[in-house]
Amino acid sequence: GAVVSQHPSWVICKSGTSVKIECRSLDFQATTMFWYRQFPKQSLMLMATSNEGSKATYEQGVEKDKFLINHASLTLSTLTVTSAHPEDSSFYICSARPSSETQYFGPGTRLLVL
Amino acid sequence: RKEVEQDPGPFNVPEGATVAFNCTYSNSASQSFFWYRQDCRKEPKLLMSVYSSGNEDGRFTAQLNRASQYISLLIRDSKLSDSATYLCAVSSGYSTLTFGKGTMLLVSP
Repeated sequence: GAVVSQHPSWVICKSGTSVKIECRSLDFQATTMFWYRQFPKQSLMLMATSNEGSKATYEQGVEKDKFLINHASLTLSTLTVTSAHPEDSSFYICSARPSSETQYFGPGTRLLVL
Repeated sequence: RKEVEQDPGPFNVPEGATVAFNCTYSNSASQSFFWYRQDCRKEPKLLMSVYSSGNEDGRFTAQLNRASQYISLLIRDSKLSDSATYLCAVSSGYSTLTFGKGTMLLVSP
């Protein structure tokens, strides 16, 4: 099956710092990648759709200037949480879609902002 | 009404039991349906796609009822390792997935 990796798997940072999360499709090319956020006991909430070579599409309520997305290649998308605050602490998961409609998820990144 | 709704559970069942989950969706234009499994503090993993004619994969059977706008997942002969949260996901064609909050299953010895 398709493999998606994420790095780092967890990060603890001070309030006000920026955190970059990488999402890679290891054995396929993905023109589209998705970024989700999941708070405890909540569902996955789509934050944005990342398109290779173009601007990301953000869901309503997600600040594009706070969550910077770069999809520079067919195998890599990055999410940068700028000026992170404690309320940004969450489980961030990316997914990628090969030619089929099925999405494959990365292992997720746990962010804790102190 | 939420786009995708699931009973959060938890469903507590003994080993060997049969358990069924339902998931309702509000968008009648939805075309693709999936069940994902998510273990605690892990990412979701695709369990199975759901086809109009229904489909089976070992102990797991998925069904789609378009008229009533729900999908179901049946697990037979439950194993301890089936304990997890089961998420249903729906999309309208080749687009984004919308997830339910998930149904927690606890299988006990």
